Amino acid sequence: NAGVTQTPKFQVLKTGQSMTLQCAQDMNHEYMSWYRQDPGMGLRLIHYSVGAGITDQGEVPNGYNVSRSTTEDFPLRLLSAAPSQTSVYFCASSYLRDRAHSGANVLTFGAGSRLTVL
Amino acid sequence: RKEVEQDPGPFNVPEGATVAFNCTYSNSASQSFFWYRQDCRKEPKLLMSVYSSGNEDGRFTAQLNRASQYISLLIRDSKLSDSATYLCVVNLSGSSASKIIFGSGTRLSIRP
Repeated sequence: NAGVTQTPKFQVLKTGQSMTLQCAQDMNHEYMSWYRQDPGMGLRLIHYSVGAGITDQGEVPNGYNVSRSTTEDFPLRLLSAAPSQTSVYFCASSYLRDRAHSGANVLTFGAGSRLTVL
Repeated sequence: RKEVEQDPGPFNVPEGATVAFNCTYSNSASQSFFWYRQDCRKEPKLLMSVYSSGNEDGRFTAQLNRASQYISLLIRDSKLSDSATYLCVVNLSGSSASKIIFGSGTRLSIRP
């Protein structure tokens, strides 16, 4: 199993450009989420989804769009990149509810995507 | 006020020491609590879940105080390999996965 796969690992953008960070999981997890991590700030929740067709805002949703057309994929879109969006982005997934030997809310993370906006 | 707050650290302790981290959360409806560990430039990984009665996993002990909305992590007999950032994590919306919020992390350095 690949787990959670994020692409790209590194990206440099100019202000105003758009891009999509891809996230895919092969564990049949209902829950998927995006976080950004900045120095000294911990991880902040951008958007999350509890199933295909359902998305909701986290702590810092402005400037980002998401969609969940399939269980496996949860792309994060930056429509017009700004220097303030320079960060490391993590995608994570989990089961929605507790299951034997796995536990709800136990997140599996991708390896991260490092984005720089000039 | 942040929904999940942690000791900022950093903690710098000698090998073999006992160290404790604290975390408070603001939403009394929260049902699920965790400690994650993050190594430098890596993704976070689950260290342990935190259960109502408290739980232990080897040298690590987690406690939950619902009345005070407080979570703690105790590391005994610390090892050099324990050096990492420890993240307090709370699911704000009940027992099924929903709005899962991280604290800002506490950095721990173990010195020989």
